[in-house]
Amino acid sequence: SQQGEEDPQALSIQEGENATMNCSYKTSINNLQWYRQNSGRGLVHLILIRSNEREKHSGRLRVTLDTSKKSSSLLITASRAADTASYFCATGANQAGTALIFGKGTTLSVSS
Amino acid sequence: GAVVSQHPSWVICKSGTSVKIECRSLDFQATTMFWYRQFPKQSLMLMATSNEGSKATYEQGVEKDKFLINHASLTLSTLTVTSAHPEDSSFYICSAYARQGDSGQPQHFGDGTRLSIL
Repeated sequence: SQQGEEDPQALSIQEGENATMNCSYKTSINNLQWYRQNSGRGLVHLILIRSNEREKHSGRLRVTLDTSKKSSSLLITASRAADTASYFCATGANQAGTALIFGKGTTLSVSS
Repeated sequence: GAVVSQHPSWVICKSGTSVKIECRSLDFQATTMFWYRQFPKQSLMLMATSNEGSKATYEQGVEKDKFLINHASLTLSTLTVTSAHPEDSSFYICSAYARQGDSGQPQHFGDGTRLSIL
């Protein structure tokens, strides 16, 4: 089953612009994670934010989490052509070792 | 660290063939691995949870006799698509946690296997 929706489904921007992707989920969570997938490849973990955190940064990435609204956002600042990929949010349950539930993903295209 | 290797990366075969996909944790032990399926332009759907030394746990709607999972060691899980048909064509990805008992860690993914059944 899937956890929720990502918004937008597709996003096209120019290099240097910021890209914001949103994710909503349905159940209570232990953490929320964002992954990146280049076309035809596996997933690369970007950032994990725990349910008791509200914001987290990693390089050009900024993730926010609002547990009251069951939503998260991923901001990529100063985007580059190499950021072109699909981005997925995934939620982790409280029980250790359980599978992640993925959102539908946002396809980001950054043109130079 | 925490590398997951998946093999093969691409398989093309005739309808009716059985195909085995391997998922290995290269630098850590994984008592649990996960198998996902992804259709073009869609998200990952969990197929099953593979448990070392015991039977896999399949998600609703996934045929266990069609998708055989074996997790015989702490570093290897295999997914066998039996008597594959064109509708089984998809991208299959495995993943694992590097640390057991930690609910706040990322999963590590293989590079996926693209299966095309003619």
